[in-house]
Amino acid sequence: RKEVEQDPGPFNVPEGATVAFNCTYSNSASQSFFWYRQDCRKEPKLLMSVYSSGNEDGRFTAQLNRASQYISLLIRDSKLSDSATYLCVVNDSWGKLQFGAGTQVVVTP
Amino acid sequence: DTGVSQDPRHKITKRGQNVTFRCDPISEHNRLYWYRQTLGQGPEFLTYFQNEAQLEKSRLLSDRFSAERPKGSFSTLEIQRTEQGDSAMYLCASSLGLGGTSEQYFGPGTRLTVT
Repeated sequence: RKEVEQDPGPFNVPEGATVAFNCTYSNSASQSFFWYRQDCRKEPKLLMSVYSSGNEDGRFTAQLNRASQYISLLIRDSKLSDSATYLCVVNDSWGKLQFGAGTQVVVTP
Repeated sequence: DTGVSQDPRHKITKRGQNVTFRCDPISEHNRLYWYRQTLGQGPEFLTYFQNEAQLEKSRLLSDRFSAERPKGSFSTLEIQRTEQGDSAMYLCASSLGLGGTSEQYFGPGTRLTVT
């Protein structure tokens, strides 16, 4: 079983719509959580950290449920430029990142 | 541009050859990580350094792989006797700090193709 599991998608989203997706993680001792964005054939880039209380960054909202060991990302008012693969990332105590395989989002005009 | 650079960006090699990749982290970052990413998968951890000390190696890192960070600055990853299964994107990341929550900044990667 993979340590971080994600729905690979693709999620086809009309421009302006809202899309949400989750990931689950297996290590209950995981310390910190992130969403990274990866464009085709580019390196991953940090989108946002995920805090226990939930947090928002513009059109992006992240939630963490430690009891159920899942993390979610919601994108409101989707833009064409949001088309990318979103990687769910879990970090243990010293910094080894565990990546999910990614969820592909395709925003269409 | 995050400031992490990798060289070369692309490498095509024949099976059985040795290859070496270089990563230059952000200058003040004390931690350096290597990951490998294959098509359709997320990056997988290979190894990491804190300053010049290699502190952890994944079981993915067979004895054909070796990594160094001799002066605590740049790092090299060498693959000996390459195999077709080594074809992947090799990503380097760096971070500042002792804890595990510091943001890791990724370089553009080295894409290896073994023919």
